[in-house]
Amino acid sequence: DQQVKQNSPSLSVQEGRISILNCDYTNSMFDYFLWYKKYPAEGPTFLISISSIKDKNEDGRFTVFLNKSAKHLSLHIVPSQPGDSAVYFCAATEYGGSQGNLIFGKGTKLSVKP
Amino acid sequence: DTGVSQDPRHKITKRGQNVTFRCDPISEHNRLYWYRQTLGQGPEFLTYFQNEAQLEKSRLLSDRFSAERPKGSFSTLEIQRTEQGDSAMYLCASSPGLIHNQPQHFGDGTRLSIL
Repeated sequence: DQQVKQNSPSLSVQEGRISILNCDYTNSMFDYFLWYKKYPAEGPTFLISISSIKDKNEDGRFTVFLNKSAKHLSLHIVPSQPGDSAVYFCAATEYGGSQGNLIFGKGTKLSVKP
Repeated sequence: DTGVSQDPRHKITKRGQNVTFRCDPISEHNRLYWYRQTLGQGPEFLTYFQNEAQLEKSRLLSDRFSAERPKGSFSTLEIQRTEQGDSAMYLCASSPGLIHNQPQHFGDGTRLSIL
C-alpha cells in the first residue's frame, strides 16, 4: 500500500515556463512534507519542505503548496531551467509521534528543454 | 559543512559474500538513517539511530542485515550471505534529530551489485 504517490513518472517543460510536480498521500497523520531532487549517481538533495500547519512555502524559484483536505501537495518551479532536469521525489513523515523516517513516492523525472 | 559521506561508492561482489558499508553523517547530527533504493522506486526506510541507539527497524531489514553506530558518530551497515535481491543503492541520511521539522540530508549512496 503506497502512502505517497507521484502519479506522473515524467514531465517535460520548456525553459522559462512553469513546472508543476504533483504528489498525493493517504496517511492523515503525516505532518511534514519534503521535496528532494536527484541527479543520476548522486543522493537525493533536499529542496524545500512544508509543515502541515502551513499551506504554502517559498524558496526562490521553488514553491510548495499543501492542500490537507485533498491530501495533495505540489511543487512549482518558476522559471524552469535546464539544470532543473532531474528526478524529483516527494516525501512525507509523521514527526509528531514517531522517529521521522521518510516515506517517499516513486519520483517524477523532469526534463526542461532549452 | 562536509555533508554526509558514504564509502564505498560502488561494491560488486559474488552472491553469498558479506559486505559492509560505512556512513559518516554531518557532524553533530544526532539521527542517522539507512534507506535502500531500487530502480524505479523511491528510497525505502531500513533503520535509524538516535545517537548510538538503534531505535527502529523496517521489516525490509532481514536478519542478514545488521547496522551499528558504536560511538554515535559513523555507522556501518553489514549484509551477510548476499543475495541477488540485495542489489540496490544503499543511502544514508542524517538530521539534527530532536528538533522537529528538520530535513534529512543524504549521502551519495553505495551502489551494491551482486553477481
